[in-house]
Amino acid sequence: IAGITQAPTSQILAAGRRMTLRCTQDMRHNAMYWYRQDLGLGLRLIHYSNTAGTTGKGEVPDGYSVSRANTDDFPLTLASAVPSQTSVYFCASSDGASGGGNEQFFGPGTRLTVL
Amino acid sequence: GQNIDQPTEMTATEGAIVQINCTYQTSGFNGLFWYQQHAGEAPTFLSYNVLDGLEEKGRFSSFLSRSKGYSYLLLKELQMKDSASYLCAVMDSNYQLIWGAGTKLIIKP
Repeated sequence: IAGITQAPTSQILAAGRRMTLRCTQDMRHNAMYWYRQDLGLGLRLIHYSNTAGTTGKGEVPDGYSVSRANTDDFPLTLASAVPSQTSVYFCASSDGASGGGNEQFFGPGTRLTVL
Repeated sequence: GQNIDQPTEMTATEGAIVQINCTYQTSGFNGLFWYQQHAGEAPTFLSYNVLDGLEEKGRFSSFLSRSKGYSYLLLKELQMKDSASYLCAVMDSNYQLIWGAGTKLIIKP
């Protein structure tokens, strides 16, 4: 079934630990995105990738890193987790980086708790 | 700065009509999106407007006025399954989406 998968579904993590959230899409979309969603706030862009081999910083990139070695995968790494990174993380993809009308398709999300 | 405003919560009755407003101030404009998000689930695409006017898609319609920085989502013949959050997002000059905090819509029988 075409779409985006994320792993893990949820995770409880001790502060200071390193964690990688996985995201894979099979729609051959060029652009991929990582968002965090916190209560009372809109989705906030962490990092994005317009095409394989390139990445860019979003609104809230500090404490996070990404890589885009191929079209399908876009992992998000927290090098040393802090409690303020407790959030729901969504990965998304779209057909093109520019041009309007390119809706973003979202994965099911990862609920991360940092203690 | 960039800002998207929409009401935090609205309540409506099953079978009725509800209008969810969104106002925006962004650096550039390359279209406005509406997404639906059920509790605990991912957002799903509802509509896209880039030109002024009304776009109708079944029970859902979306309106845009670029000069006023204003959009609304109109839901007709409300059903219980329409209980969800509705997210307004604007694509800015860098083709990045700026998101509102969402409007939680509660449908009562």
